[in-house]
Amino acid sequence: EAGVAQSPRYKIIEKRQSVAFWCNPISGHATLYWYQQILGQGPKLLIQFQNNGVVDDSQLPKDRFSAERLKGVDSTLKIQPAKLEDSAVYLCASSLGLAGTYEQFFGPGTRLTVL
Amino acid sequence: DQQVKQNSPSLSVQEGRISILNCDYTNSMFDYFLWYKKYPAEGPTFLISISSIKDKNEDGRFTVFLNKSAKHLSLHIVPSQPGDSAVYFCAASGNQFYFGTGTSLTVIP
Repeated sequence: EAGVAQSPRYKIIEKRQSVAFWCNPISGHATLYWYQQILGQGPKLLIQFQNNGVVDDSQLPKDRFSAERLKGVDSTLKIQPAKLEDSAVYLCASSLGLAGTYEQFFGPGTRLTVL
Repeated sequence: DQQVKQNSPSLSVQEGRISILNCDYTNSMFDYFLWYKKYPAEGPTFLISISSIKDKNEDGRFTVFLNKSAKHLSLHIVPSQPGDSAVYFCAASGNQFYFGTGTSLTVIP
């Protein structure tokens, strides 16, 4: 079974530039999550999709972050414009159903450095 | 506001001994608790979970204990092996998922 795929693995940009990350979840997984993990901290949930609908985006900085999951399969997370404090690893995860009883499978993450 | 806390950033244990990783939470409405293991440059991988209606769950060398009155859970690894060296995150689930800050475990051969 193929795991969660993410690209790129690394990205370096200057502040005020834009960046986009891509995630392809495990086939058949209805729920998709984007997390931000700042160095020394645990992953923080940014947004959660159930199929192509947003379940929770309460911690997504909507003035600069956006995410979509067209057709309920793969997803993109965009930052525009980026700030220095956005430097982090962005993790995508998927699960069969909503969090809790369903195990989340994580991708390898995208390490973003904002200079 | 950190709803899930891991107060020990690191832990070193001799191979063959028991590793005990601790986690505290603040929200009594959490209904599921999970432990994840993370190696460098990889995403977290699921290790073991426990429902809030139970106080213990065991899977091979890994056992998770839940003390709801103390809002505390712990992960026991017995016996510890060098391959267990990684960062361990506890997580809690209610209407949202919350992760702790992680504990870096080093198992010394």
